[in-house]
Amino acid sequence: GENVEQHPSTLSVQEGDSAVIKCTYSDSASNYFPWYKQELGKRPQLIIDIRSNVGEKKDQRIAVTLNKTAKHFSLHITETQPEDSAVYFCAASNWAGGTSYGKLTFGQGTILTVHP
Amino acid sequence: DAGVIQSPRHEVTEMGQEVTLRCKPISGHDYLFWYRQTMMRGLELLIYFNNNVPIDDSGMPEDRFSAKMPNASFSTLKIQPSEPRDSAVYFCASSPRWWIGLSYEQYFGPGTRLTVT
Repeated sequence: GENVEQHPSTLSVQEGDSAVIKCTYSDSASNYFPWYKQELGKRPQLIIDIRSNVGEKKDQRIAVTLNKTAKHFSLHITETQPEDSAVYFCAASNWAGGTSYGKLTFGQGTILTVHP
Repeated sequence: DAGVIQSPRHEVTEMGQEVTLRCKPISGHDYLFWYRQTMMRGLELLIYFNNNVPIDDSGMPEDRFSAKMPNASFSTLKIQPSEPRDSAVYFCASSPRWWIGLSYEQYFGPGTRLTVT
């Protein structure tokens, strides 16, 4: 089955700096890669996603890049703010078919702390 | 839409007791997922359903765990008997059919915090 590795496990930055979180996946059939943000005591919520036919996607201060050859993808947050402090999870899924259709495999999570 | 609804929000029980967690997915969503979250193991998929049919239960820890989805608007996760190591936050999530707007997003419920003493 799919295996997703996420690094770093913790990340501390100053407000205004950029933050980068990286993930690798093992199943070359995976074609959908979402990122979820989970604030303390809250539920995970989707912040951005990318499909395998796209190399990069941006949404205001956040962006995700995908390298299918190397099987890794990254989340980039620019101009970080204290409200960006949360746990971020990457995930991988195969929506093209097979027994794992629709199943998300999550990384271990990154605790991001943005200091004012 | 009220989103995914879970009950109870908090459950404290003694070891050996039966625990039932409940979930109501977003109306019209065809997929329902049960996750368990702990500090040590992160976010683990326990089981998921498509159109009320269990598709993959390989994440269910052991026979003490069971899940059902009797209809499109209700699912339960049962632990019998419960053990202290089952203490965790249990999330239910739902997602629409993949071809509707090409949306694959999973919408999580607020979670049930289970404490087994």
